[in-house]
Amino acid sequence: EDQVTQSPEALRLQEGESSSLNCSYTVSGLRGLFWYRQDPGKGPEFLFTLYSAGEEKEKERLKATLTKKESFLHITAPKPEDSATYLCAVRLDMRFGAGTRLTVKP
Amino acid sequence: EPEVTQTPSHQVTQMGQEVILRCVPISNHLYFYWYRQILGQKVEFLVSFYNNEISEKSEIFDDQFSVERPDGSNFTLKIRSTKLEDSAMYFCASREDVAGANVLTFGAGSRLTVL
Repeated sequence: EDQVTQSPEALRLQEGESSSLNCSYTVSGLRGLFWYRQDPGKGPEFLFTLYSAGEEKEKERLKATLTKKESFLHITAPKPEDSATYLCAVRLDMRFGAGTRLTVKP
Repeated sequence: EPEVTQTPSHQVTQMGQEVILRCVPISNHLYFYWYRQILGQKVEFLVSFYNNEISEKSEIFDDQFSVERPDGSNFTLKIRSTKLEDSAMYFCASREDVAGANVLTFGAGSRLTVL
């Protein structure tokens, strides 16, 4: 069964304090590892798709990486506006994990 | 930028009443989805829809739920007889029917409160 497990559930950082979020996955035939961001009360918003182990993608302070078993979302020098829940999925119909709720304090 | 539009933004209903949530997907998208998010919980897949039929559905999507594309622009989710536990935010999403297209665009959601 295709599934993802995200950790930690919640992460509190000080502004500028870099860290990483983890998405472990099991899938029969990877068609993509997807990262989305969700702000409170809003729909998820697409961030990245990764297709193969070793692939990396960057957007502003975020960098997503992929291995054969997990993906990391690295956040470098985060700002308060990066506070959100970050979701990952491995199916095209986006069956998300529980997410990591990131809070960045000024 | 094209967006997915959902109405109503908030609906309050009595237990046992029928509710229809409406979505206008992006115009050239042909894959449609509904998700549910109970307050404080994860975003849960309900159903996917393509070529006028359900492609996949989760165990949440029981006989009380139905989806329909009544015309060329709308995609609806109907809950026949609402229960207290149906209170949640419901998100619609759509995707292009193009090889390699894998980005879902989500709407802002419809908040359903069942009393």
